[in-house]
Amino acid sequence: QVQLVQSGAEVKKPGASVKVSCKASGYTFTGYYMHWVRQAPGQGLEWMGWINPNSGGTNYAQKFQGRVTMTRDTSISTAYMELSRLRSDDTAVYYCARLVGEMATSYFDYWGQGTLVTVSS
Amino acid sequence: SYVLTQPPSVSVAPGKTARITCGGNNIGSKSVHWYQQKPGQAPVLVIYYDSDRPSGIPERFSGSNSGNTATLTISRVEAGDEADYYCQVWDSSSDHSWVFGGGTKLTVL
Repeated sequence: QVQLVQSGAEVKKPGASVKVSCKASGYTFTGYYMHWVRQAPGQGLEWMGWINPNSGGTNYAQKFQGRVTMTRDTSISTAYMELSRLRSDDTAVYYCARLVGEMATSYFDYWGQGTLVTVSS
Repeated sequence: SYVLTQPPSVSVAPGKTARITCGGNNIGSKSVHWYQQKPGQAPVLVIYYDSDRPSGIPERFSGSNSGNTATLTISRVEAGDEADYYCQVWDSSSDHSWVFGGGTKLTVL
């Protein structure tokens, strides 16, 4: 069965960086784009970007460009999301999610359990 | 950027029908997907391609999409359906290419 297992909660100081991992199992890791979505406390879902695990190609939401880096290690079927220059408003649960379908009609069929990142001095 | 508008809350009595709307400009021309999120849990896909159900999702969940409004309908609502529901589309004109609605809190009275 498909599983996306994320790394544990993190507490960071403003200005620091955080790297969250997402280990995939139960399917061919390189066959599906991996996306990252975050959710601030009490707020809705916010799309951050994607990585093509096959090529390593990425695309980031403009809001995060320059601060986010998505990478992968195909040898261990793991995707990573690193966010730098953290601010207090980056406090959120970060999810990885597998994308399926053609781009214009695509959706997220499996999600990681989420990783809480708290930014506090 | 493309905006999806959902009512913040919907309330319904057990056994009744809940309808959660998702408004967007000509959303009927897009594929709409719906997610259920219970407190402290990750979102779960409940409807894709406007009206298809993933395996394991009860037939009580259905969807429709036309004009400027997509609708998630939950029939014979149960207490366990209480959750936040989000609609999602892909939009080529928006930087936030995968766009989510603001979410609707479904309360079972």
